[in-house]
Amino acid sequence: EAGVTQFPSHSVIEKGQTVTLRCDPISGHDNLYWYRRVMGKEIKFLLHFVKESKQDESGMPNNRFLAERTGGTYSTLKVQPAELEDSGVYFCASSQDGLAGEDTQYFGPGTRLTVL
Amino acid sequence: AQTVTQSQPEMSVQEAETVTLSCTYDTSENNYYLFWYKQPPSRQMILVIRQEAYKQQNATENRFSVNFQKAAKSFSLKISDSQLGDTAMYFCAFTLDNYGQNFVFGPGTRLSVLP
Repeated sequence: EAGVTQFPSHSVIEKGQTVTLRCDPISGHDNLYWYRRVMGKEIKFLLHFVKESKQDESGMPNNRFLAERTGGTYSTLKVQPAELEDSGVYFCASSQDGLAGEDTQYFGPGTRLTVL
Repeated sequence: AQTVTQSQPEMSVQEAETVTLSCTYDTSENNYYLFWYKQPPSRQMILVIRQEAYKQQNATENRFSVNFQKAAKSFSLKISDSQLGDTAMYFCAFTLDNYGQNFVFGPGTRLSVLP
């Protein structure tokens, strides 16, 4: 069974440009999470989808970030316009039931975003 | 707000020896779950072990075990018989006992197992 995949693995863009990150969860997983680790700091939660609906988007830093999960399958995270402080590693995770502690979140390899 | 602290940014251990990684957390809630995730170099983060706060018995998974001290809000990970493949970043994480709660992660401890 394929794990969580993310594309691209690396992205280097200039300040002010737009970047779209993609996450493909494990097939059948209704729950999809986005996290990011900025400048070697803690991994921070961004948002949580249940199927195509946003269950919790309390971690989204500002309106330059837009996440979608049309059809409840893969998800995209768009940053527009990108700023220097957006540099970091963006992780996606998925889980089947979403029950805290009873289900396992499976993480993707992450997308390393560098904004110059 | 919940916070997770890992006071050891880096650690090293000789192969076959035992090492303990520390984690403390802060919450006012009574029901929650704690996790240790590991991220080997250039690979995905994977779940190592989880602990349910209402269980007094410490969780174990083969060579990995935890020392959960609820009153002290401490959740350390012990790796016995360390292997070279245990070299990784180790993240302590916390989530509340609710549907779909997001993880709060610690800053991580980089563990190197030396031959």
